[in-house]
Amino acid sequence: QKEVEQDPGPLSVPEGAIVSLNCTYSNSAFQYFMWYRQYSRKGPELLMYTYSSGNKEDGRFTAQVDKSSKYISLFIRDSQPSDSATYLCAMTVDTGRRALTFGSGTRLQVQP
Amino acid sequence: NAGVTQTPKFRVLKTGQSMTLLCAQDMNHEYMYWYRQDPGMGLRLIHYSVGEGTTAKGEVPDGYNVSRLKKQNFLLGLESAAPSQTSVYFCASSYSTGEVRAFSNQPQHFGDGTRLSIL
Repeated sequence: QKEVEQDPGPLSVPEGAIVSLNCTYSNSAFQYFMWYRQYSRKGPELLMYTYSSGNKEDGRFTAQVDKSSKYISLFIRDSQPSDSATYLCAMTVDTGRRALTFGSGTRLQVQP
Repeated sequence: NAGVTQTPKFRVLKTGQSMTLLCAQDMNHEYMYWYRQDPGMGLRLIHYSVGEGTTAKGEVPDGYNVSRLKKQNFLLGLESAAPSQTSVYFCASSYSTGEVRAFSNQPQHFGDGTRLSIL
């Protein structure tokens, strides 16, 4: 069983829709949770970061972490065609090496 | 300011050949990482380095070697390439600090990848 599970999609939504992306994980030691966006043939770029449980909002993006359920979410409001990309969740324990454990990514397509 | 630059962008090898992938960062980052990305598997850590002259194994290190002779460069070597090493390879870098909460200001910055096919 993978440490981090993520539905690969693809997820297709119309422009303006609210998008919900999710990951579950099994390692209760994870404390730092991130969402990366990856456009085709590009490297991942950090979108959102959350420490421990709670919500964090940044513009149209909201990240939620529920450590009791080992479940994290990313919500995108008023989705745009430019949001079409693969979204990777990532998480890490507070260790010196700071390496990340990634989900396999969800491909999102926002239709104009 | 280029960030993280990976060389080459594409390469095709034959089984048994060797090659070196180069990662260069101009952000004065202490930490550097090599990941591979395969369909349905996400990114998996191969090796990482916490400073010049230091390297350590990650999740999938077999068949790879690394070197960090200069702070800004992190090299990934394949001594005898195998078809199972066909993948997209990503390098990343980040700051280090003893302050735990400062991690929020230290995202891993990724290069745009090297696409490697081994026939």
